[in-house]
Amino acid sequence: AQKITQTQPGMFVQEKEAVTLDCTYDTSDQSYGLFWYKQPSSGEMIFLIYQGSYDEQNATEGRYSLNFQKARKSTNLVISASQLGDSAMYFCAMCSFVAGGTSYGKLTFGQGTILTVHP
Amino acid sequence: ETGVTQTPRHLVMGMTNKKSLKCEQHLGHNAMYWYKQSAKKPLELMFVYNFKEQTENNSVPSRFSPECPNSSHLFLHLHTLQPEDSALYLCATTTEQGRFNEQFFGPGTRLTVL
Repeated sequence: AQKITQTQPGMFVQEKEAVTLDCTYDTSDQSYGLFWYKQPSSGEMIFLIYQGSYDEQNATEGRYSLNFQKARKSTNLVISASQLGDSAMYFCAMCSFVAGGTSYGKLTFGQGTILTVHP
Repeated sequence: ETGVTQTPRHLVMGMTNKKSLKCEQHLGHNAMYWYKQSAKKPLELMFVYNFKEQTENNSVPSRFSPECPNSSHLFLHLHTLQPEDSALYLCATTTEQGRFNEQFFGPGTRLTVL
């Protein structure tokens, strides 16, 4: 079974500063993918960034980057130069690849972290 | 035109009503998903369809009945729901089940069961 843990129910950051959102995961699978999604108040889930379990380098996408520590089973999201529009709920999720199994394409989500960016 | 649309955006229904949620995707994807998002709980996967075939039913009560008539449309038929079924229902699609491609989500339907 997979489990995603986001221990920060809420985070606050000043505009233009960087913020780190924590995520740890638990899985016995060797091959898996880790995702971060942003959910604004409108409800839509917006894909931000992806890290594969065998990727040696930390993923980066614009202002988003991951601090992926496989041994610690953590994949923290770093948002640099925060903007007011970054205020939203952020979800960490994972998908495992199980040969011959049925977990293909299934995402397991954490409980989310509400990020508030102050001007 | 947005990639994944869901209608209605908001729905209020009584426990004896029958209603349907609709999801439509214009991305050419072949896997579609229904998720339930309750307050203060992680998203819960409900159903998965791959090439119009249901490949996953995550122990969902029979009062929720999915239908996938073609690769562009996914429905969730609702009947005799309970107040605890009130939640945001999200549809998602991806290019191929089993790959690590990101899932594209619709805006969701906010359901309230009275």
